[in-house]
Amino acid sequence: QKEVEQDPGPLSVPEGAIVSLNCTYSNSAFQYFMWYRQYSRKGPELLMYTYSSGNKEDGRFTAQVDKSSKYISLFIRDSQPSDSATYLCAMRGSYIPTFGRGTSLIVHP
Amino acid sequence: DTGVSQDPRHKITKRGQNVTFRCDPISEHNRLYWYRQTLGQGPEFLTYFQNEAQLEKSRLLSDRFSAERPKGSFSTLEIQRTEQGDSAMYLCASSPSSGYTDTQYFGPGTRLTVL
Repeated sequence: QKEVEQDPGPLSVPEGAIVSLNCTYSNSAFQYFMWYRQYSRKGPELLMYTYSSGNKEDGRFTAQVDKSSKYISLFIRDSQPSDSATYLCAMRGSYIPTFGRGTSLIVHP
Repeated sequence: DTGVSQDPRHKITKRGQNVTFRCDPISEHNRLYWYRQTLGQGPEFLTYFQNEAQLEKSRLLSDRFSAERPKGSFSTLEIQRTEQGDSAMYLCASSPSSGYTDTQYFGPGTRLTVL
């Protein structure tokens, strides 16, 4: 079993839908949780950064961390075709993050 | 542009050849990381530097791989005697090492194809 599990998708939704992306993990030492967006053949771009449990909101994006369940989520409201990308969760205890394999999201007009 | 830059963006080489990639971090970022990403997978950690000191290396980093960061500025990653299994995207990231946040900013990557 991998330390971080993430469904690769693809997840296809219509424009304007609320998107829910999730990761589960097994390492209790993880305290910092990140979501990155990666467009095809580009480097990952940091979207959200959360420490420990709780929610964090930034514009159309909301990140949730439930450490008791070892489960993190990213919600995207009013999804746009430009949100079509691969979304990577990442988490760490020290300086070295462990990434999920990414979920491919397709938002169609 | 003050982001992380990597050069070259693409590299095609024949098996057995040596290749070298360069990463220029965001100015004044103390930490620099190298990752490898294959199709359909997330980035896998290879090694990281705090200034010029290489502090950690993954067991993925075989003895054919070597990384340097002279003077704590840009970094190079060299792969000797390339194998087809080395074909991947090589990503560099840097962070300011301020407190515990250590937010990493990625470059565009170097895509390596070994024929």
